[in-house]
Amino acid sequence: TQLLEQSPQFLSIQEGENLTVYCNSSSVFSSLQWYRQEPGEGPVLLVTVVTGGEVKKLKRLTFQFGDARKDSSLHITAAQPGDTGLYLCAGENAGGTSYGKLTFGQGTILTVHP
Amino acid sequence: NAGVTQTPKFQVLKTGQSMTLQCAQDMNHEYMSWYRQDPGMGLRLIHYSVGAGITDQGEVPNGYNVSRSTTEDFPLRLLSAAPSQTSVYFCASSRDSGTRTDTQYFGPGTRLTVL
Repeated sequence: TQLLEQSPQFLSIQEGENLTVYCNSSSVFSSLQWYRQEPGEGPVLLVTVVTGGEVKKLKRLTFQFGDARKDSSLHITAAQPGDTGLYLCAGENAGGTSYGKLTFGQGTILTVHP
Repeated sequence: NAGVTQTPKFQVLKTGQSMTLQCAQDMNHEYMSWYRQDPGMGLRLIHYSVGAGITDQGEVPNGYNVSRSTTEDFPLRLLSAAPSQTSVYFCASSRDSGTRTDTQYFGPGTRLTVL
């Protein structure tokens, strides 16, 4: 079973600050997805990164896939209260009996204070 | 399009009771799946289906059954509920099972408590 360690688990910051969330594994993933989840709702896909070293930007959010496709990061610049939520990373398993399935990280609860 | 719908939104069961969580999608997606979400553990795959009539087990299938008689519906059955099944359950669908170029859409979830 492939594991994804996501850190930090909790993040409480002031509006305007920058932050980075990390997902790390000892296993290689075919692709890596980032989701955002609001209370009482299901996760919503933000981005999928496929190629090692790939960087994608979504307004103030920057996503990076590690060169070896074992890790990823989400960086938010000048965080706003509207960024508050649960952020989840999910890796597409590259082999074994779980090939093609998603392995989720534990999630990061982000709170941005006005 | 309504997307992925789940019913009920909330449910309380007693140990040993059975129930079915409903999931439907109107996007003509072939791939559907069920996850459970527990604090500090992310989402874990219970069962999935790559098309009508085809289902398979995920990471945590024990205590759950599924069937896929139509493309639209993918119900999850709890045969004899246990407190360890207290969780939030999410149904998801996508055009196919490949995540690299496809988007997986999640329903709003069912919050289940087993006493």
